[in-house]
Amino acid sequence: DSGVTQTPKHLITATGQRVTLRCSPRSGDLSVYWYQQSLDQGLQFLIQYYNGEERAKGNILERFSAQQFPDLHSELNLSSLELGDSALYFCASSEQGVSTDTQYFGPGTRLTVL
Amino acid sequence: GQSLEQPSEVTAVEGAIVQINCTYQTSGFYGLSWYQQHDGGAPTFLSYNALDGLEETGRFSSFLSRSDSYGYLLLQELQMKDSASYFCAVRGNSGNTPLVFGKGTRLSVIA
Repeated sequence: DSGVTQTPKHLITATGQRVTLRCSPRSGDLSVYWYQQSLDQGLQFLIQYYNGEERAKGNILERFSAQQFPDLHSELNLSSLELGDSALYFCASSEQGVSTDTQYFGPGTRLTVL
Repeated sequence: GQSLEQPSEVTAVEGAIVQINCTYQTSGFYGLSWYQQHDGGAPTFLSYNALDGLEETGRFSSFLSRSDSYGYLLLQELQMKDSASYFCAVRGNSGNTPLVFGKGTRLSVIA
C-alpha cells in the first residue's frame, strides 16, 4: 500500500459524459501527478500539481482538467468523453515540488467509456 | 524530448536470472528509474541510477551507462511473483520535466 488513495476504482459511462476522478496523496506529499495508461500508449504523464498550483503539463487534452485543493487532494475532470478515453488513470504523489524519479502511485481508476 | 526503448516481452525460468534492457534518448538527463507493475496493480518504484554503475537492492540490481544511454534491470533468483511488467523511466534536467516511461517489458516467470 503506497498510501495514495484513488476513487472510484471503476467507472463506466457513456460517450459525451463528464466524470471526476479523485486522488488523495500520501501524508506529507505536496505534489500530485496524473497519468493515463492505455494498452497502446503506455503510461502517459498528464499533469502535475504542487501545493495547489499547476507545475507541469504533459499530453493532456483540452477536454481534461485538474485541480488540487487546499487539503492537497486532487481531482481530474474528464468531459465530452470519447471511446478512446477508456483507460486506467493513476495518480502519484511525491514530497517535492520538482518532478522526482521516486513517485508513489495510487491503485488507479479504470474508466470504461461505452 | 525523451524516448525509451525496452523489449516488450521476456520469459525466464523460476530460479534463473533475467536482464531487462532499456535504451533512452533524452535532451538532458537526471537518471534512470525502474518501476514494477503487476497486472491490475499500480506501478511501484524499484530503483534509481543517477551515476554510472550498478545499484543493488536485494534480488534486484540496476545498471546505468550514461555514455551509452543504456541501462538494465537485473532480477536474480526469479520467483513466480516477479511476473509483472517492468518500466524504465527518465527525466530531463531542464526545469521541471516530468517522468517519461518506456512502454514496459512484460516478464513471465515459468516453472
